[in-house]
Amino acid sequence: AQSVTQLDSHVSVSEGTPVLLRCNYSSSYSPSLFWYVQHPNKGLQLLLKYTSAATLVKGINGFEAEFKKSETSFHLTKPSAHMSDAAEYFCVVRESYNTDKLIFGTGTRLQVFP
Amino acid sequence: DGGITQSPKYLFRKEGQNVTLSCEQNLNHDAMYWYRQDPGQGLRLIYYSQIVNDFQKGDIAEGYSVSREKKESFPLTVTSAQKNPTAFYLCASSIKARIAAGGAVNEQFFGPGTRLTVL
Repeated sequence: AQSVTQLDSHVSVSEGTPVLLRCNYSSSYSPSLFWYVQHPNKGLQLLLKYTSAATLVKGINGFEAEFKKSETSFHLTKPSAHMSDAAEYFCVVRESYNTDKLIFGTGTRLQVFP
Repeated sequence: DGGITQSPKYLFRKEGQNVTLSCEQNLNHDAMYWYRQDPGQGLRLIYYSQIVNDFQKGDIAEGYSVSREKKESFPLTVTSAQKNPTAFYLCASSIKARIAAGGAVNEQFFGPGTRLTVL
C-alpha cells in the first residue's frame, strides 16, 4: 500500500535562509507525488507534482522537490525563505495509478522568523 | 472566475442535529471529494464521487452522507450519528483519472473549507 511519512511536524527557519521539508514515501508502483501548502483556515494549494517526467520538479513560489528512488524520498526545498512561506505543508501520494484518490502525510508546519 | 466554493465558512451544530455543507465547482471536473481535517493529522477521505449519481465511501464515511445529483455540486450531510463532528471540512475536485497504466496525473483542487463546531 502507498504511504508517505513527513519526518518533521515543525520546522523553524529565519527569513532568507534555506528551507528543507522532508518526505519519504512507500509505493509498490512508480508513484505520483505532490506537495500542497495550506495557510491558516484556508484550503490547500498545489505547489508541485512529480509525474516521472523529471526527477527535479519546480513548483510555484520558488519551491522545488527532487524525487530520489534509491532513498524513497521527495523532499521539498526553497533556497531562501520568505515570511509569507509560513504555513502547513503536506506531502501526498496517489493511491494507485488508475485513481485520483490521494493519501496525505500528517503535515509539517513551517515557521519563518524575521 | 473558475474554482470551488464551500459554504458556510463557519457552522455550528447542536447535539443530535443534522447539518449540510455545500460544495460547488465550475471547473467542469468529473470527480469530487470530501475530506475531514483534524489538528495534527493529514486529510482523511470521507466520500468521493467520480461521476454524477455515483459515489463511494472513503476511509471515514460513518455518520456522513452525500449526494451527486449534478456535476457541479457535491453536498455533505453530517448526521447525528457522527459522534465527533467538530473539524475542518474540505471539498476538492479533479478531472477523472484515465483508467490505464501511465494515466494522466491529475491534481485535486481544493475549496476554502468549512469549520464545523458542535455546541
